[in-house]
Amino acid sequence: NAGVTQTPKFQVLKTGQSMTLQCAQDMNHEYMSWYRQDPGMGLRLIHYSVGAGITDQGEVPNGYNVSRSTTEDFPLRLLSAAPSQTSVYFCASSSWERMNTEAFFGQGTRLTVV
Amino acid sequence: GESVGLHLPTLSVQEGDNSIINCAYSNSASDYFIWYKQESGKGPQFIIDIRSNMDKRQGQRVTVLLNKTVKHLSLQIAATQPGDSAVYFCAEKTGGNEKLTFGTGTRLTIIP
Repeated sequence: NAGVTQTPKFQVLKTGQSMTLQCAQDMNHEYMSWYRQDPGMGLRLIHYSVGAGITDQGEVPNGYNVSRSTTEDFPLRLLSAAPSQTSVYFCASSSWERMNTEAFFGQGTRLTVV
Repeated sequence: GESVGLHLPTLSVQEGDNSIINCAYSNSASDYFIWYKQESGKGPQFIIDIRSNMDKRQGQRVTVLLNKTVKHLSLQIAATQPGDSAVYFCAEKTGGNEKLTFGTGTRLTIIP
């Protein structure tokens, strides 16, 4: 089972560039989320989705867009990259049955903005 | 706003001993508390959760204790092994089913 797959694993961007971080899950989970992880700050929620066509903002949404056109995919778009967006990004999915407590995480995307 | 925090950023334990990782929370409305383990270079992995109406829950080599009076959560790992070396995060679920709020993490190092 693939679980949650994130691509790319590493990315370097120049300030002002845009890009999309891909996330796909094959567990038919309703919930999907994007987090960023910075040293000493744990994981912070960027955006989340409770099902196809439904998204909402998390704790740190500025500079990021998401969409959820299918149950499987939840891409994260950086509109105009800034050095402050240098971080490790994790996508997660979980099921309604597990009440969104048991989240399955991808391997992460390490993004550097120069 | 409400936050989840940890008492200690690092913890070193001798292999075979028991480990206790602590977490303080401030949101009384949280209905679930969860522990995650993150190994170097990997995403967090679910360990165990506990509902807010419970005091204790046991899993395989792990026990989570919840003290709502002092808003304290702990993870006990029995007979620690080298593979237990990781960063451990506590998290809480609030606002319905949509959001998990994570603490900053404790790095557990197992000494051979």
